[in-house]
Amino acid sequence: NAGVMQNPRHLVRRRGQEARLRCSPMKGHSHVYWYRQLPEEGLKFMVYLQKENIIDESGMPKERFSAEFPKEGPSILRIQQVVRGDSAAYFCASSGLAGYNEQFFGPGTRLTVL
Amino acid sequence: DAKTTQPNSMESNEEEPVHLPCNHSTISGTDYIHWYRQLPSQGPEYVIHGLTSNVNNRMASLAIAEDRKSSTLILHRATLRDAAVYYCILVGTNAGKSTFGDGTTLTVKP
Repeated sequence: NAGVMQNPRHLVRRRGQEARLRCSPMKGHSHVYWYRQLPEEGLKFMVYLQKENIIDESGMPKERFSAEFPKEGPSILRIQQVVRGDSAAYFCASSGLAGYNEQFFGPGTRLTVL
Repeated sequence: DAKTTQPNSMESNEEEPVHLPCNHSTISGTDYIHWYRQLPSQGPEYVIHGLTSNVNNRMASLAIAEDRKSSTLILHRATLRDAAVYYCILVGTNAGKSTFGDGTTLTVKP
């Protein structure tokens, strides 16, 4: 029973490049959440998606960031034209039937922008 | 958004019980109280959650105040592997934004 998978685990990008982070939820889970964690800080909610729908993106920066969760395949968090301030750990979580169920987190992707 | 307040840090001795408090005075009637913990360089790990009644599982117990404005995570016998940052969050039935605070850093001394 595989848990939440994220790849890559580590990603290095130069300023101005694009970063694509992938998240495969647990089998049977249709709810996906993305969080960002800056060094020495807590988790900050970014976006909540269900299959093919963005339910809540109130934590997403208005520019350069986008997320999707297609009918087939993993959820993707995309950061265009990365800047050094985007360097952080990005965690994905999934849950089962409804949002009030426990969230299962992936190991995270650590993005470093040079 | 309903917010939670936790002490920045706590210490415990190994094999002693630990009570981690959380205040959530603006909790709504449909918010669930969730606890997660995060070990260094790892993703958060679910610990326990509840709505109104106290809850027990193999990892911990959750005591919820009668007015639901506070809760306490209880680790019955702390081990060195319990050293982590513990987050208390509120999750609404419509899911969406789950706001993590800064959490409590638990140090367990041998």
